[in-house]
Amino acid sequence: DTAVSQTPKYLVTQMGNDKSIKCEQNLGHDTMYWYKQDSKKFLKIMFSYNNKELIINETVPNRFSPKSPDKAHLNLHINSLELGDSAVYFCASSQEPGQETQYFGPGTRLLVL
Amino acid sequence: GENVEQHPSTLSVQEGDSAVIKCTYSDSASNYFPWYKQELGKGPQLIIDIRSNVGEKKDQRIAVTLNKTAKHFSLHITETQPEDSAVYFCAEDSWGKLQFGAGTQVVVTP
Repeated sequence: DTAVSQTPKYLVTQMGNDKSIKCEQNLGHDTMYWYKQDSKKFLKIMFSYNNKELIINETVPNRFSPKSPDKAHLNLHINSLELGDSAVYFCASSQEPGQETQYFGPGTRLLVL
Repeated sequence: GENVEQHPSTLSVQEGDSAVIKCTYSDSASNYFPWYKQELGKGPQLIIDIRSNVGEKKDQRIAVTLNKTAKHFSLHITETQPEDSAVYFCAEDSWGKLQFGAGTQVVVTP
């Protein structure tokens, strides 16, 4: 009965590899997000999708490509991983974009060696 | 976050005492201000929020105040308990994006 789930929970990989993180929500929400939390706990939005359409794209390197196959899923693919990509990545969802409670997933801890 | 300043960065309180966390923001158009609690190894979870047409909101031991003129808002936790230990984030909704403060590590000692 998990509301927002992410896989994998942990991801350890070498520099230069390509990896994907998956996110699913069963709340029936229209909007989904990806956040990055760095080692100092700073949380920053990366992308937001509403009804499968990209509505927020912060200044994220184009090595990061989100994909939303349907409203319940938002995946994040990362090409050519770099050391600085090491962080915790959180998926979240809300009923609508903006001024609504966002429900966060448990996070994916990515370590690039 | 560059638009939201949060203080203090760490806060240690005795069980039963009150904790106060303060945030300031810069975007005068912002009108939604949530607070999130993040426990170790978990994702942030909303604990309370306030909209700009309200000056104060309470939910049991938690209260939030908003001063739109001064552009600051605060979280108040009364009668703190060990399970209140966590990182707390303030945020403002700026054009549909949540901008988070840097977080406050709260430690409640028995």
